[in-house]
Order: sequence, then C-alpha cells, then structure tokens
Amino acid sequence: GQNIDQPTEMTATEGAIVQINCTYQTSGFNGLFWYQQHAGEAPTFLSYNVLDGLEEKGRFSSFLSRSKGYSYLLLKELQMKDSASYLCAVRDGDYKLSFGAGTTVTVRA
Amino acid sequence: IAGITQAPTSQILAAGRRMTLRCTQDMRHNAMYWYRQDLGLGLRLIHYSNTAGTTGKGEVPDGYSVSRANTDDFPLTLASAVPSQTSVYFCASSDGAGSTDTQYFGPGTRLTVL
Repeated sequence: GQNIDQPTEMTATEGAIVQINCTYQTSGFNGLFWYQQHAGEAPTFLSYNVLDGLEEKGRFSSFLSRSKGYSYLLLKELQMKDSASYLCAVRDGDYKLSFGAGTTVTVRA
Repeated sequence: IAGITQAPTSQILAAGRRMTLRCTQDMRHNAMYWYRQDLGLGLRLIHYSNTAGTTGKGEVPDGYSVSRANTDDFPLTLASAVPSQTSVYFCASSDGAGSTDTQYFGPGTRLTVL
C-alpha cells in the first residue's frame, strides 16, 4: 500500500510564509504533485516534481528529495485567498496517484 | 471549453437503489478516473480507464462499476447503494502521455445514501 503523510492543519498570518511538509512511502515513484482545493470545490493542479530540487512558480514553490521520501510546498506572501486544503499526491510505479489526507491552511488577517 | 462536467451536483438516495454518476470531458483526454473523497481520508481511486474500451480497478472498487464506451464519457454506477457510499465523488481526466500527465478534476457530486 501507499503511505503519504502531511499535517492536518496549519495557520498563518497574511503576508507570511508557510511550509507544508509531505512524507511518502510508495511502491515505486513517478512524480509528486501538489493540488489546491478550496472548500466545496474540485482540486486544482499546483505543481509537479519528478527530480530532486526546487520548482518555483510565482508565490508557490515545491521541493522534492526522492532519497528521503520528502516534499514540501512553500507558500510565500500569503493572501486570504490561499486559505484552502493542499493535497500531496504521489504517482506510483503503476502510474496511479495516491493522495495524502490534505493540509488545511487558514490565513488570518 | 467546459473541461470536465459531472452530474448530478448532489443527490440523496435511498439505500438499495441503483445510481449512475455521469462524467464527461471535452479535452480528448485518453485517461479518466473516479475518486471518492471522505473527511480525513483524502481522495481514493475507485476505478480508472487508460483509454476508451478499457477499465481497471483502483483502491476501493467494491460496490462500483464503470464503463468507457467512448473517449468523452466515463459513468460510475452504484448497483445497490449503501450508507458507506455517502461521499463526494470526483471524476478526473489526463492526457495519459508525457512525463507530467497531470490529472484535471471535475466539480464533484455530493452523494448521500440514507
């Protein structure tokens, strides 16, 4: 089976930085995805890592260490609209996505 | 371009009834997926289809069936609904090619089985 762990909840202040960690143990590895999901809505794609290192996309960055089974999503200059759940998902050796339970981020003024 | 549409948006269903959740995509994606999302458990794969005419079982397939008669449509059927199938159901699709092969999700169907 797959095991993907991420914190349940995080709270941060508007304008601050928050780092959401994700650790995984899967049968094979073919990439790691981060999705954002606002309450009552569908998940939307944020980032993809398949090689070690940092991928930056505007205010969002994602890091991967395959040897450690570890990734993080960094949200900079937090805005109120960033309040959402953030889902870590790993594509396994069969090219199927397994999702973590999600981290709910609350941004406070 | 609509992307992925799902119907109905929400449904309350009596236990034992048959129900089909509809999913249609207009992106000509090869692969399609059905997930259920439950509080504290995250998204779990029910069934998938890598291309029209083929389907496969995911992590939680029991009590569900799918068909893929063409590229655009991927209906999910609950033959005899049970309360444990109360959940939010998401359909997704992906191109099925290339290293990224990002999955794109529909708006979801909220199903309550009483």
